[in-house]
Order: sequence, then structure tokens, then C-alpha cells
Amino acid sequence: DAKTTQPNSMESNEEEPVHLPCNHSTISGTDYIHWYRQLPSQGPEYVIHGLTSNVNNRMASLAIAEDRKSSTLILHRATLRDAAVYYCILTENSNSGYALNFGKGTSLLVTP
Amino acid sequence: KAGVTQTPRYLIKTRGQQVTLSCSPISGHRSVSWYQQTPGQGLQFLFEYFSETQRNKGNFPGRFSGRQFSNSRSEMNVSTLELGDSALYLCASSLGGRGYTFGSGTRLTVV
Repeated sequence: DAKTTQPNSMESNEEEPVHLPCNHSTISGTDYIHWYRQLPSQGPEYVIHGLTSNVNNRMASLAIAEDRKSSTLILHRATLRDAAVYYCILTENSNSGYALNFGKGTSLLVTP
Repeated sequence: KAGVTQTPRYLIKTRGQQVTLSCSPISGHRSVSWYQQTPGQGLQFLFEYFSETQRNKGNFPGRFSGRQFSNSRSEMNVSTLELGDSALYLCASSLGGRGYTFGSGTRLTVV
């Protein structure tokens, strides 16, 4: 499986934008890029996913580099509720299901 | 709509016993996956079921097993419990698309 590399931790001020980076230099052409987050004492939560083009939803934006070797999850205005561990995960484009390889993720601290 | 429901929320078992955990996916979701989360190993994939068939399996010993019923509900079983099996067990369901919805988990403590 292709690997991802994320910083162990990041810190942001409340109401500021947050850019969470992810490197995936060995990504294959059919790998999807997923982001999940896990708030304290909860199960992981789907945030966003994409293949080649940038994606937006109500939670966040996903910016994918043109060569697809890196991506950035953008939280436009961080709130205290966004403090969580954020996971960048690659999955194969498989019709037979897929496993999420969570890795260590980035622990995001949001300060008032 | 109701989310992914896992029962029980907490469980204490003795070494050598077996345990069965239950997961009810979101209505209409046919894919159910199980994960184990521990402080040391993080989140690790156990197995995934779709239409009562196991499609993918993680790197866990045969003591860990699962099944899925015709209504998509799933159970996982751990036999001959060891202290190291103490963990949060998470279930996730999907419509078959790209996003999984996770339950709140079952916290298993083996003493």
C-alpha cells in the first residue's frame, strides 16, 4: 500500500484557517485520497476525499497537487470543536472493498 | 437517520474467555468493517464484510472472527482472550461509496 506522511502535531488559533499537509509520493494513479478525523472519545469521522481535482464540502476543502504527490486539508475557520487527530489515507480504486490504513495522523490543537 | 450502533459500549472479560461484539450499520449500508484501536498500535483494520461475505481481512490471528447477517448487521468474536486484546473496537459502515461512518465503539477490557 502507498504510504502517507503527516506532521505529528499542529497548532492553530481559533477562527484562523488551518492547512494540514500530507505527502504521498508513491501514490498510484487510481488511489483515492481520504481524510478522516477523530475527536476525543469518539470514532473516526469522514471529512472529505478526492482523486485528482480539488474538492469542497461543508466541513473542509481538499487541495491536491498537480502531480498528486501531496495534498492539503483546509479548514477555513478553525473552531475549538475541530481539535482532533486528522488522518490522511490512500485507498485503491477497488470494487472489492478497501481497508483504511490510519497511520499516526496529525494531532491538531486549537487555542482560543 | 440512525447512525452506526455498537453494543455493548463497555465490556470486561477474563483471560481465556470469548466475547461477541455487535454492530448495526446505517440502514441500507451493506459494507461493514471492523477496527481495533489501542494506544500502542493505533487504529488497525480487522476485516470487512459485504453481503454476508468477508471481502478483506487484516493481519490478526484466527482468534478474531466475524460474520454478517442478511440484514447487514455484523458481529465479531474474539476467542481465548488475552490481556493484549484490551482495546476499543470500532465498526464502520458504507453504502459502497467512498466514505465510512463509524460507530462509537465497544471498549473491551481483559483482566
